[in-house]
Amino acid sequence: SQKIEQNSEALNIQEGKTATLTCNYTNYSPAYLQWYRQDPGRGPVFLLLIRENEKEKRKERLKVTFDTTLKQSLFHITASQPADSATYLCALDMANAGKSTFGDGTTLTVKP
Amino acid sequence: DARVTQTPRHKVTEMGQEVTMRCQPILGHNTVFWYRQTMMQGLELLAYFRNRAPLDDSGMPKDRFSAEMPDATLATLKIQPSEPRDSAVYFCASGLGREQYFGPGTRLTVT
Repeated sequence: SQKIEQNSEALNIQEGKTATLTCNYTNYSPAYLQWYRQDPGRGPVFLLLIRENEKEKRKERLKVTFDTTLKQSLFHITASQPADSATYLCALDMANAGKSTFGDGTTLTVKP
Repeated sequence: DARVTQTPRHKVTEMGQEVTMRCQPILGHNTVFWYRQTMMQGLELLAYFRNRAPLDDSGMPKDRFSAEMPDATLATLKIQPSEPRDSAVYFCASGLGREQYFGPGTRLTVT
């Protein structure tokens, strides 16, 4: 069956460290993978999109990797700050579908 | 600053009542999505439209839910009759490419 798995536990890290979140998938062949941030009581906010033929993408302190062989994406936040505390969702898009399938998210807490 | 707007933000209703949620997508976006989010199920796609035409509503309970786009500036999601298990946050999102812009959501409580 199809499955998207993000870090099963919440992630707690110290300010200044690099946070690494994982998104593993089974029985999907996504053409695109997206990462969103969601704060409590708000809708998800788009952060980054990476295509299947791209290995890595960066935006400011964020970096996403996409390994179609391992069926995994890693999402890194460098020099983390308490303001980075939120839930992060990965979403998979198939090539011929105009919709995304979301993972359950990982809650990140950055402690000062 | 273009945003997706949703009304109402909160709705408490009794079982059996009709609920209508509204969404105004960002002007110029041609794709509109309706999602439901709960702690147990996460973010689930209910339906989506492109250029106002429904493309996929397979995630929606057909007997009680309906989604429409009467015009390019309005999308609606109706539940009739509502049930306690429909309690959730309902998000609308719009987009032009792959990335989606979400509204603030409607928190629905059915008692």
